[in-house]
Order: sequence, then structure tokens, then C-alpha cells
Amino acid sequence: DQQVKQNSPSLSVQEGRISILNCDYTNSMFDYFLWYKKYPAEGPTFLISISSIKDKNEDGRFTVFLNKSAKHLSLHIVPSQPGDSAVYFCAAYTSNDYKLSFGAGTTVTVRA
Amino acid sequence: DTGVSQDPRHKITKRGQNVTFRCDPISEHNRLYWYRQTLGQGPEFLTYFQNEAQLEKSRLLSDRFSAERPKGSFSTLEIQRTEQGDSAMYLCASTPNTIPLEQYFGPGTRLTVT
Repeated sequence: DQQVKQNSPSLSVQEGRISILNCDYTNSMFDYFLWYKKYPAEGPTFLISISSIKDKNEDGRFTVFLNKSAKHLSLHIVPSQPGDSAVYFCAAYTSNDYKLSFGAGTTVTVRA
Repeated sequence: DTGVSQDPRHKITKRGQNVTFRCDPISEHNRLYWYRQTLGQGPEFLTYFQNEAQLEKSRLLSDRFSAERPKGSFSTLEIQRTEQGDSAMYLCASTPNTIPLEQYFGPGTRLTVT
């Protein structure tokens, strides 16, 4: 059973514009939500996270929003840069084991 | 510290052969995780260790799979009698026990079973 879903397999955005990536989850016991970025032939790299007790976390160009009632989170990248072109994974875990449940990923392409 | 390392980076094997992968976590990280990623999917949890103790195994981990973490440092993942369905990227991640907020991933081992 897939507890974390990313329904958009790809996203194309113009350089300098905003990228919005969406993620839905089904497990209400998740305590933390994370976004990972992955380049080809590399392992996922941690990007930003948010605790379930918060609704927003910001780090430079990256902001994550959490809507617990809708079981939905999103990642905003502003402004988008060519180096942001990668696969982005949404992930979540509960505090009893910290094992990550991942979405299928969204491939972001930033056009110059 | 150079991060999580995995060896080999690529492995091609024939169906029925045994393979073993190694993961060296960031030093002093207590927890070590193994994930498997197939094309078009996100990583899926396989198993994890706290120090040398294996605390959980996924249902994805059939009895052909075994993982160890002797002395609580590096870990090995062995697949016996490989099948074509085992072809995937095998990822290792580690995290300190006190700050479990993020897992640090290695570059992965790409397994191809022919």
C-alpha cells in the first residue's frame, strides 16, 4: 500500500518562475515529512523537512507547506534555477521507527 | 567525513548467482537503512539496524535476502539465487540516533540480473 503519493510524474517550468510540487499521504501517524532531490546515478539528497505540528517551513528558495486536514503537502521553489532540474521525492516517517515511505517522484525540468 | 559509501556501484550477474553489497555509513551513525528503488518508483524500505541489531524487515525481503551489520559499523546485503525481478538500485542510508530528522543516502548499487 502506497502511503505517500506524488500524482504528477513531471513538471516543466521556466527559469526564474515558481515550481510547485505536490504530495498526498494516507497515514495520519506520520510525524515528519521530507523532500529529497535526486540526480541521476546519485543517491537522494535531503532538501527540506517539516514537522507535523507545523504548517510551513522555509529554507532559502525552498518552502514546504503542510495541510494536515487534507493530508497534503507541497514544495515551492522560488525562483527556479537550471540546477534544480532533478527528481524530487516526497517522504514521511513516524517517530517509532523513522523508516521513510517515499512517493514515486516528480521530475522537474527548468527551462532556460 | 565523506558521507555514506556503497560498494560496488554496479553489479551485473546471471540469474541464480549470489551477490553481496556493502554499505559504510557515516561514522557514529547508529541507524542504518536499506532501500530498493525500481524504475519510476521511489525507494522502498527493506530493513534497518540500530547499531548491530536488525530491528525490522519488510515483507519485500524474501528469505533469499539477508542483511548484517556486525559490530554496528558497515553493513552487507546478500541476495541468494538472484532472479530478474531483483534488478534494481539498492540504497543505503544512515542517521544518528539523537537527530533522526533526515537520512543520509549513499550513491546506491545498481544490480542487473541477466
